[in-house]
Amino acid sequence: DAKTTQPNSMESNEEEPVHLPCNHSTISGTDYIHWYRQLPSQGPEYVIHGLTSNVNNRMASLAIAEDRKSSTLILHRATLRDAAVYYCILVSYGGSQGNLIFGKGTKLSVKP
Amino acid sequence: GAVVSQHPSRVICKSGTSVKIECRSLDFQATTMFWYRQFPKQSLMLMATSNEGSKATYEQGVEKDKFLINHASLTLSTLTVTSAHPEDSSFYICSARVAGTGNTGELFFGEGSRLTVL
Repeated sequence: DAKTTQPNSMESNEEEPVHLPCNHSTISGTDYIHWYRQLPSQGPEYVIHGLTSNVNNRMASLAIAEDRKSSTLILHRATLRDAAVYYCILVSYGGSQGNLIFGKGTKLSVKP
Repeated sequence: GAVVSQHPSRVICKSGTSVKIECRSLDFQATTMFWYRQFPKQSLMLMATSNEGSKATYEQGVEKDKFLINHASLTLSTLTVTSAHPEDSSFYICSARVAGTGNTGELFFGEGSRLTVL
């Protein structure tokens, strides 16, 4: 699976939007962009995923660059409960059973 | 959404004993489940892929005789840490994908099981 690059940490203020970047310059045409997050002492939680078009759901939005070499997870209004490690992961269609290979992720801190 | 449940959530055992961790998909069937391990302040590391009715596939460096995986049904996979030692102390997490959703759909994760070996 292609590799992703994320900042180690980011800070945000409560109630403000957060933009979490991810670079994946070696992405292939069949790679889906997935985002998961992990709260302390819990298993990861699915956030959103997309292929080419921007995606929205109740948790977040995913903005994918036109060349697909980068993407941004957008939390529209950060809350204290959004403090977590956010992982950007590429999953290849047709890849070996679709397991997720986790990088180091971005640790998001939210200040009240 | 779909729920994956792990049991026990915490376990403390003596060195040399074996510990079994269960992973259940509560409201869906999963032909494939994944087992991860996470050490403090580190990311998740894939240990093995568990396939219903067949042998698990282990990642390089993971001892299959030490970490026994059984996936006997479409809703249950178990991980047994045999002859546990303090260095096996870790957070073990399983995950599963709804059968038939392909290999790029959402993965559902359990709450994790924290193993402490004394």
